Amino acid sequence: GAGVSQTPSNKVTEKGKYVELRCDPISGHTALYWYRQSLGQGPEFLIYFQGTGAADDSGLPNDRFFAVRPEGSVSTLKIQRTERGDSAVYLCASSFRDRGDTQYFGPGTRLTVL
Amino acid sequence: DQQVKQNSPSLSVQEGRISILNCDYTNSMFDYFLWYKKYPAEGPTFLISISSIKDKNEDGRFTVFLNKSAKHLSLHIVPSQPGDSAVYFCAAIRGTGNQFYFGTGTSLTVIP
Repeated sequence: GAGVSQTPSNKVTEKGKYVELRCDPISGHTALYWYRQSLGQGPEFLIYFQGTGAADDSGLPNDRFFAVRPEGSVSTLKIQRTERGDSAVYLCASSFRDRGDTQYFGPGTRLTVL
Repeated sequence: DQQVKQNSPSLSVQEGRISILNCDYTNSMFDYFLWYKKYPAEGPTFLISISSIKDKNEDGRFTVFLNKSAKHLSLHIVPSQPGDSAVYFCAAIRGTGNQFYFGTGTSLTVIP
């Protein structure tokens, strides 16, 4: 079956602009995670959804970052007033139910803020 | 602060030999540990995991060892194959938390 997909694969924007990154999890997976991976670093946790609700958003760096998952499937990560430091690969992962189940990662969206 | 550390950014091993990748952690509350493998332009792929109640878990050529007193885990790959060349991340999670903490990765090159 289809894996986790993320769109766009690459996004170049200018400082101060707004961007949306999309994640399509594996069908039937209720848990969804967003991570940010900067160059030379491991994935850094941003937010965890269980169904439609954000069960843990403690990893979001500031209020410019927001994520939604209105129907419990597709999720969108939204970044307002982008800064150059936001440049990174944004990874999405889904798992069947919760932290005990294997996470399946998408290929990521590479965001570049000029 | 970096709660999960991989101090070797890279490792080269001859095909057929053993690869040993190391990971250290600082948070004694971590109770579940995982290894992921990542190829360029792809997301990480789950490889193997271990619960803190165990000290060893084996899956084919891959074995993970956990030393809780030293807050150290290692991944052994035997025998190493060229297709194992990738970046390996260790990750940890604590108790009822939802945050997975990842190390910075070790790039493994298996030389044919």
